[in-house]
Amino acid sequence: DAGVTQSPTHLIKTRGQQVTLRCSPKSGHDTVSWYQQALGQGPQFIFQYYEEEERQRGNFPDRFSGHQFPNYSSELNVNALLLGDSALYLCASSPGGGRTDEQFFGPGTRLTVL
Amino acid sequence: KQEVTQIPAALSVPEGENLVLNCSFTDSAIYNLQWFRQDPGKGLTSLLLIQSSQREQTSGRLNASLDKSSGRSTLYIAASQPGDSATYLCAVMTTDSWGKLQFGAGTQVVVTP
Repeated sequence: DAGVTQSPTHLIKTRGQQVTLRCSPKSGHDTVSWYQQALGQGPQFIFQYYEEEERQRGNFPDRFSGHQFPNYSSELNVNALLLGDSALYLCASSPGGGRTDEQFFGPGTRLTVL
Repeated sequence: KQEVTQIPAALSVPEGENLVLNCSFTDSAIYNLQWFRQDPGKGLTSLLLIQSSQREQTSGRLNASLDKSSGRSTLYIAASQPGDSATYLCAVMTTDSWGKLQFGAGTQVVVTP
């Protein structure tokens, strides 16, 4: 049983560019959450998707957007990249609507903005 | 606003010693608390999930306790091994923000042979 998978593993972009990160949830999970983890800090919640809609959002600007597909996989898009967007981006999945269940994390995508 | 704090930020112990990691949170209206392990540059591995109605959870050498009234959780790792070296993070899910985990900054643990 594959766990949560993310692609790509690493990504290097320059300021002002746009990036798309991808996540496939664990089998049987229908909810996907995205987190940003800066070096030396705990992950910060970006948003959560359920039934192809954004259900909750953290304190991130509109440059951060997402999408969930009918097969529950998800994308995170970041526009107009800033140096401060350099971080490890983590995807987590959970079953049953994700409101109260244990979350399982993927290996992350390391984004470097130059 | 929920604040999650983990002290100390770093810890070094000799192999065989028991580890005690602390997590405190300011809002006791939580639904659950989760402990994770993170190896350098990697994703998070879930270790234990404690529901708000529970006092503790155990898995092998790991035991986590929860005291909602005082806003504290403690992760105990018995008989530490060099393979336990990692960063340990706690995260809470509050009842007014279900689905959103709020993390502490983590405790970096080094177990020396």
